[in-house]
Amino acid sequence: DAGVIQSPRHEVTEMGQEVTLRCKPISGHNSLFWYRQTMMRGLELLIYFNNNVPIDDSGMPEDRFSAKMPNASFSTLKIQPSEPRDSAVYFCASSWTNYGYTFGSGTRLTVV
Amino acid sequence: DAKTTQPNSMESNEEEPVHLPCNHSTISGTDYIHWYRQLPSQGPEYVIHGLTSNVNNRMASLAIAEDRKSSTLILHRATLRDAAVYYCILVSSGSARQLTFGSGTQLTVLP
Repeated sequence: DAGVIQSPRHEVTEMGQEVTLRCKPISGHNSLFWYRQTMMRGLELLIYFNNNVPIDDSGMPEDRFSAKMPNASFSTLKIQPSEPRDSAVYFCASSWTNYGYTFGSGTRLTVV
Repeated sequence: DAKTTQPNSMESNEEEPVHLPCNHSTISGTDYIHWYRQLPSQGPEYVIHGLTSNVNNRMASLAIAEDRKSSTLILHRATLRDAAVYYCILVSSGSARQLTFGSGTQLTVLP
């Protein structure tokens, strides 16, 4: 089991550019979560999918952020346009019902 | 969401047991108690979870108070690799199953 796979591991981009973060959940897991972590705000839930359907996107900061889950094995988080305050580590996690959640290694995003 | 309260930091000596407390006085009957930890520069890692009874696994033990208003994560023999931020999180068994992280407890293990 390769675990939750995120790509890229690091991303440096210029303000105004589009950024796409990718996540492959563990096969068989039916829920997928996107989190953001900063020193100031800690770990924040951005959006949560269940069976590929977005259930709760109240944590998405603004319209510049969007997330999709076209199938059970892939999800993207897109920021367009990016801003310096979006710099953070973005984590993807997946789970099956009420078992433990498995997190990926994260994508460290720097917007300059 | 029901909230949890944890000490900001704790220290332990290597090879000794560590008891990490968590208070959750507003827990509901259907809330599971989850523990995660985050090692430096890594994503959070599942440690253990339970509902009412004490739980054991290869990583740790979870002791849940009879009234469920508090719990304790027990690391039986702390190692330097256990130094991490430990999060106690309540997870609803209903449709809203997201993990809501607090600030956790920073565990320092002294050699």
